[in-house]
Parts: sequence; C-alpha cells; structure tokens
Amino acid sequence: GENVEQHPSTLSVQEGDSAVIKCTYSDSASNYFPWYKQELGKGPQLIIDIRSNVGEKKDQRIAVTLNKTAKHFSLHITETQPEDSAVYFCAASKRNRDDKIIFGKGTRLHILP
Amino acid sequence: DAMVIQNPRYQVTQFGKPVTLSCSQTLNHNVMYWYQQKSSQAPKLLFHYYDKDFNNEADTPDNFQSRRPNTSFCFLDIRSPGLGDAAMYLCATSPEIGGGEQYFGPGTRLTVT
Repeated sequence: GENVEQHPSTLSVQEGDSAVIKCTYSDSASNYFPWYKQELGKGPQLIIDIRSNVGEKKDQRIAVTLNKTAKHFSLHITETQPEDSAVYFCAASKRNRDDKIIFGKGTRLHILP
Repeated sequence: DAMVIQNPRYQVTQFGKPVTLSCSQTLNHNVMYWYQQKSSQAPKLLFHYYDKDFNNEADTPDNFQSRRPNTSFCFLDIRSPGLGDAAMYLCATSPEIGGGEQYFGPGTRLTVT
C-alpha cells in the first residue's frame, strides 16, 4: 500500500522567512496530493492540493510543487507570519472508489518572532 | 456557512462506559469519515460511509461502531472505552468517494477515566 514520508518533523523559521516541508510517496498510481494545516485544538484544514497533471500550484503565500518522476512533493510558505504556526500534514491518494488518503506524520512549524 | 459540526467538543467517560460522539454536516456531502487522532500523530481512519454504504478499516477495533441515519448525521459509538481510546475523534466529509478533498470538523476530545 501507499506510504507517505514527511520531513522535517519540526521546523522553526524566523518570521518573514520561507518554510519548506517535503514529502515522498511510494505508490506511483497516486494522483492527488493535499496539504492540511492543523492548529492546536482544531481539526485539519485543507489549505492547498495538487493533482498529478500539474507540477506546481500557488495560492498567495503558499505553493506546492510535485515531481512525479521522483515521487515527491513540497509545500512552500513565503513571508511567514505568526499565524502560520501549526502542524502541517501532507497526504496522497489515488482518488478511486476503494482508496483513502494516506497522511504523512506531520511537521510542527514554529514561526519565531 | 456550510460546515462540519461535532458535539460535544469535550467528552469525559469512565472506563467501560459506552459513549456516543456525533457529527453533522451542512455540506450535503455523500461521504463521511471518522478518524482517531492521538497526540502528535496523523489522523487514523476508523471507517467511512459512502451514502449508506459502510466501510470498516481492517484494523478498527470491534469496540468502535458507527451509524449514519441520514445524509447529514453520523455517530461514533464506543461500546466499552478503554484508557487507550482517549484521543481526538475527527469527523470529515467529502463530496466524492476515494480520497478526494476532505473537510474536517473541529473534533471531540475524549478522556477516559
């Protein structure tokens, strides 16, 4: 089955700097890659996703890149702000009836003042 | 606003005393999921419904049951909670089956005493 590895497990960046979180997946049939942000005491929130037919997607300060050949995808947050502090989960799925999304183990992002 | 609602937000139960957690949604999504999330871990899928079709994950303990009386509501029943069942329980919905975008509720924090 699919396996998603996520690195780093913890990341501290100075406010205003960029943060990058990387994930790799094992199943080449996976074609959907969402990213979730989970703040303390809340449920995960979908912040951006990418399908396998594109290599990059951007939404304001966040962007996701996908390298299908290498089977890895990354989340980029630019101009980080205190409210970006949270746990971020990457995930992968094949988007067919019998499938489910497989989460990475998460990255705790700290934005330092 | 369309949303996923979970009640209660915090639940304390005694060891072995049955407990029911509830989830409702105004998104009119066909698919509903229940996840268990323990501290510093990714959400773990327990089961999901596609309309009324119920799908149990192979490693979900028999102690956990679910009901979906209609499109809007879904319940998680824990028949005999053990100390190891203390966790955050997350409900999520999706407009499509098979690992597409999921929308999470705020979660119910279960404590077992």
